[in-house]
Amino acid sequence: DAGITQSPRHKVTETGTPVTLRCHQTENHRYMYWYRQDPGHGLRLIHYSYGVKDTDKGEVSDGYSVSRSKTEDFLLTLESATSSQTSVYFCAISEIGSNQPQHFGDGTRLSIL
Amino acid sequence: GQQVMQIPQYQHVQEGEDFTTYCNSSTTLSNIQWYKQRPGGHPVFLIQLVKSGEVKKQKRLTFQFGEAKKNSSLHITATQTTDVGTYFCAANSGGYQKVTFGIGTKLQVIP
Repeated sequence: DAGITQSPRHKVTETGTPVTLRCHQTENHRYMYWYRQDPGHGLRLIHYSYGVKDTDKGEVSDGYSVSRSKTEDFLLTLESATSSQTSVYFCAISEIGSNQPQHFGDGTRLSIL
Repeated sequence: GQQVMQIPQYQHVQEGEDFTTYCNSSTTLSNIQWYKQRPGGHPVFLIQLVKSGEVKKQKRLTFQFGEAKKNSSLHITATQTTDVGTYFCAANSGGYQKVTFGIGTKLQVIP
């Protein structure tokens, strides 16, 4: 498996609190992605990054922000968590080049009470 | 962005039976990728199809890309309990190196 570490692996928090999820890679891949996975919706892209300090929105970006200050780290922040953001969050990476496959981390299970 | 429709959403089969999941698009796709996610796990890349009419095999798994590059299928021959999981197709969604995933087909194999 690709060297991708997500932290924390599990988190329970309350509505209105800030939450930051971290994705760390050791592969030096340029592209990094954050997805959420919910029953009946599959994997939906939240934000992605195509380089240090270069990020863009995905299809479900409202309520989320990201930062990438180093190649190896991609942070996902929920500024004020809501119950609708309860989900499993996956980080993925891919190499530069068209049609490159994505490699996923183990996921973070986040519950907002 | 590119949308891909995947059917069925769920499939239960007896061990030894065959299984097929389909991925369809209303527009021409540049490529299609297939992933497998075991229960409690993360998606794992299986294969990519690029050419019209392309067929690729991985042991008991056969992947096809339609002639018009608007549909794809994954067929598993003689399912085993190790095939249990959710199978996703994914297609380029217009942005460079962005893909859109299908909703997935959850396969349950009954021993």
